[in-house]
Amino acid sequence: VVTQEPSFSVSPGETVTLTCGLSSGPVSRDHYPSWYQQTPGQVPRTLIEITDSRSSGVPDRFSGSILGNKAALTITGALADDEATYYCCLYLRFGVSVFGGGTKLTVL
Amino acid sequence: QLQESGPGLVESSQTLSLICSVSGGSISTRTHYWGWIRQPPGKGLEFIATIFQSGTAYYNPSLKSRVAISIDTSKKQFSLKVFSVVAADAGVYYCARQSGSYWFVADWGQGTLVSVSS
Repeated sequence: VVTQEPSFSVSPGETVTLTCGLSSGPVSRDHYPSWYQQTPGQVPRTLIEITDSRSSGVPDRFSGSILGNKAALTITGALADDEATYYCCLYLRFGVSVFGGGTKLTVL
Repeated sequence: QLQESGPGLVESSQTLSLICSVSGGSISTRTHYWGWIRQPPGKGLEFIATIFQSGTAYYNPSLKSRVAISIDTSKKQFSLKVFSVVAADAGVYYCARQSGSYWFVADWGQGTLVSVSS
C-alpha cells in the first residue's frame, strides 16, 4: 500500500513537503516515484516523472526527492493555484504501478 | 493526443468496453506503454492495466481476473474490457501514455465517465 498524508495546509509563500511511503518497506529510486496534481473536475497533471525530474512546463517551485524512506514532493513558495490533490505513484514490479490515496493540499 | 470513448452507462453484471484512440504520434512506439487508470467518484486514482505495442500486458493484481486490455496498432487504438461490472466500477476512466522505462504517465486522455446501473 502506498501511503500519503490525507490532507495538508500551508500558507501562501510557505514551503510544504508531501510524502509518499510504502507499507512494505523503504521507497527508493528503483520505485521511480512520480507525482501528479489534480484539481476538482480536471485531468491529473504530471508534475514529477522520475523521483526528481520535473515534467515539461512545471514550475521549479515543485521539486521531488527521496527523504529518508519516502518519496517527497516539495512546493517552495506555495501559491493559491497550488491548492489541489497530489498523488504519488510507485512502480512495484512486472509493469504494475500503485497510486497513493492522495494528499489534499489547502493553501490559505 | 489520447481520446477515450465508451458507453457512459453500463448495467451491473455486464461488460464495460472502452476504447482509447491515439493521434499525433505512433502507437507502435517502442518507448512507451499504453495504460488505463480509473478514479471512482470522490476517490483516488487506480492503475488498471498497461500494454505494449507487441501486446505484452500487465495488470493490477486486484483486477486481473475481471479486466482485459488489448491493442490494435492498425487502428491506432487500445481497449479495455471490464467483465461482470459492479457498482464499484463506476467512475472516470483515463487512458494514458506511460514511459516504458520508468512507468510514469507522460500523457493523459480527457477521461470518460462510466456509471453503473442496477
